[in-house]
Amino acid sequence: QSALTQPASVSGSPGQSITISCTGTSSDVGGYNYVSWYQQHPGKAPKLMIYDVSNRPSGVSNRFSGSKSGNTASLTISGLQAEDEADYYCNSYTTSSTLPYVFGTGTKVTVL
Amino acid sequence: QITLKESGPTLVTPTQTLTLTCTFSGFSLSTSGVGVGWIRQPPGKALEWLALIYWDDDKRYRPSLKSRLTITKDTSKNQVVLTMTNMDPVDTATYFCTYRPPYTKWFDPWGQGTLVTVSS
Repeated sequence: QSALTQPASVSGSPGQSITISCTGTSSDVGGYNYVSWYQQHPGKAPKLMIYDVSNRPSGVSNRFSGSKSGNTASLTISGLQAEDEADYYCNSYTTSSTLPYVFGTGTKVTVL
Repeated sequence: QITLKESGPTLVTPTQTLTLTCTFSGFSLSTSGVGVGWIRQPPGKALEWLALIYWDDDKRYRPSLKSRLTITKDTSKNQVVLTMTNMDPVDTATYFCTYRPPYTKWFDPWGQGTLVTVSS
């Protein structure tokens, strides 16, 4: 069960839009609409930002959106703000019978 | 409001057994479809799934660590306990527990995490 692949870092200027990719296989990302995204600031616990590919929990800014195409899911942050600087992790349900979830490798978002 | 909090030793010596407790409130682990998971994060590294336990006592483990992990629940105390045997310095990490709402495939909220250092 290998980790999903994310870019190590993505950066953008305030107000810009950025997209973080999360690539898996047909056994995880491509096989289910069960991708979630988590934001983690330094020294803090992860926070759910997107669930089931494209749904936003109550209280999460509509600047955050999710999508999926084939084996790759994406998180887009529009109108980038300084407070968005954090690490982001995708997570997918998988076909594994032993432990049916897998995280991505994580992406550091830097606001220039 | 759902909250979770991890507790346990901050320092363990190599070969020792680590016991971590996740104490939660705002839900019952006897509610159909509910789950609690344990995840760890070595310093500067990515999140890594360790184990999951569901309302019906179904348990799932990370394959590479399955022989070392045990997850149990105490519904009356609102606690989930994770034990990891034969600790090694590479197991140094922040350990988080998290809540899976009924019949969903996402996790929210998370506990604050507890840093466990393995060193002699």
